Amino acid sequence: QITLKESGPTLVKPTQTLTATCTFSGFSLTTRGVGVGWIRQPPGKALEWLALIYWDDDKRYSPSLKSRLTITKDTSKNQVFVTMTNMDPVDTATYFCAHVSLDDSEDAFDIWGHGTVVTVSS
Amino acid sequence: DIQMTQSPSTLAASVGDRVTITCRASQSINSWLAWYQQKPGKAPKLLIYMASSLKSGVPSRFSGSGSGTEFALTISSLQPDDFATYYCQQYNGYSRAFGQGTKVEIK
Repeated sequence: QITLKESGPTLVKPTQTLTATCTFSGFSLTTRGVGVGWIRQPPGKALEWLALIYWDDDKRYSPSLKSRLTITKDTSKNQVFVTMTNMDPVDTATYFCAHVSLDDSEDAFDIWGHGTVVTVSS
Repeated sequence: DIQMTQSPSTLAASVGDRVTITCRASQSINSWLAWYQQKPGKAPKLLIYMASSLKSGVPSRFSGSGSGTEFALTISSLQPDDFATYYCQQYNGYSRAFGQGTKVEIK
């Protein structure tokens, strides 16, 4: 059974850097075709894709946020990290991580974590 | 960047109604499109991938169609559990993008 769980600070000050962690089980990020992505959702608004990392360390970023984002993985700990620099109140959102598999669901986000709420405020 | 536009933004319907939500891509994405259902306070749930493939365990009243730039999600007979917000998402090439969502409300 695949599960993902997001963790990170609940409150971040403007201009600070956010680091969020996705800890997963039930799959390995060394398996061909597997990836983990990050998606966020401001309160009452739509989903926004942030970044995606694959088993082979291929990394993809939202063009509008690319300069602020870094995605990395620690396969020994079954974790994926996303950092976002220069945080602003508009970055207040629930941050989700999600699993993708080229074999199972042709690269769609098929299993999601519950999300972690991040508020940006001084 | 590929932009995704859903319509309508809000839809009021009754139990038993046939409901269709449309999604348009700003350029061709072939069949690289997924549909998700989200309920308040919950994570999205994958319903459809590759435009028309039903994820295992999803009720057969959900179906997807389309290719290129025009896509649709249809619920053949709306059930009480289906009142939620639905998002399309493209995953063609390097980038991914979600539509702005369609909220299905009780009429």
